[in-house]
Amino acid sequence: DIQMTQSPSSLSASVGDRVTITCRASQGIINYLAWFQQKPGKAPKSLIYAVSNLQSGVPSKFSGSGSGTEFTLTISNLQPEDFATYYCQQYKSYPHTFGQGTKLEIK
Amino acid sequence: QVQLVESGGGVVQPGRSLRLSCTVSQFTFRNYGMHWVRQAPGKALEWVADIWYDESNTNYADSVKGRFTVSRDNSKNTLFLQMNSLRVEDTAVYYCARDSFAYCRGDCSGVGYWGRGTLVTVSS
Repeated sequence: DIQMTQSPSSLSASVGDRVTITCRASQGIINYLAWFQQKPGKAPKSLIYAVSNLQSGVPSKFSGSGSGTEFTLTISNLQPEDFATYYCQQYKSYPHTFGQGTKLEIK
Repeated sequence: QVQLVESGGGVVQPGRSLRLSCTVSQFTFRNYGMHWVRQAPGKALEWVADIWYDESNTNYADSVKGRFTVSRDNSKNTLFLQMNSLRVEDTAVYYCARDSFAYCRGDCSGVGYWGRGTLVTVSS
């Protein structure tokens, strides 16, 4: 199975900041990577597919990059509604494994 | 607006069975691959299973293989997850999710839409 490792596990930032979350795959996944946002008690929301493509309705403050085994999610101009837990997921091969999550908290 | 609504969760004893359903609307169900993803209390998301849009393939996480079965009824716009031999560690919120794009087989597009989830508690 492909292991997905996110760093950091938690992150404190202030409103207006720009933050970057990293996701590393244990083997190459080309560009078969997605990012999700989840707020407490809510279902996940899809943000990005194929590394850098925004899902419909997702603001351009979210951006993704990377290839092979290392990927990043960058969120610019943080607003209160952006503080949540973020997950990456590979869908290159089964099982479609998720990272352990990165909790973004307000400083 | 794409809608996915899960049902069938509840409290069940270890070793028993439960069937989850996911009824969808506002899109052509038969054209999309579908997934089940679960989240144990306080834990990360865990992909459970998927079924391709044409029902030609189903795939499972090792943790549920041989115990869970995913299926779909395109005439009723409904996805199912039959869960047998349930274990305490299967306790989780189970989410139904849809591929981002139609006609995908496996590595096409990832999950695009999610339901709100249904809670399954396995306890004696």
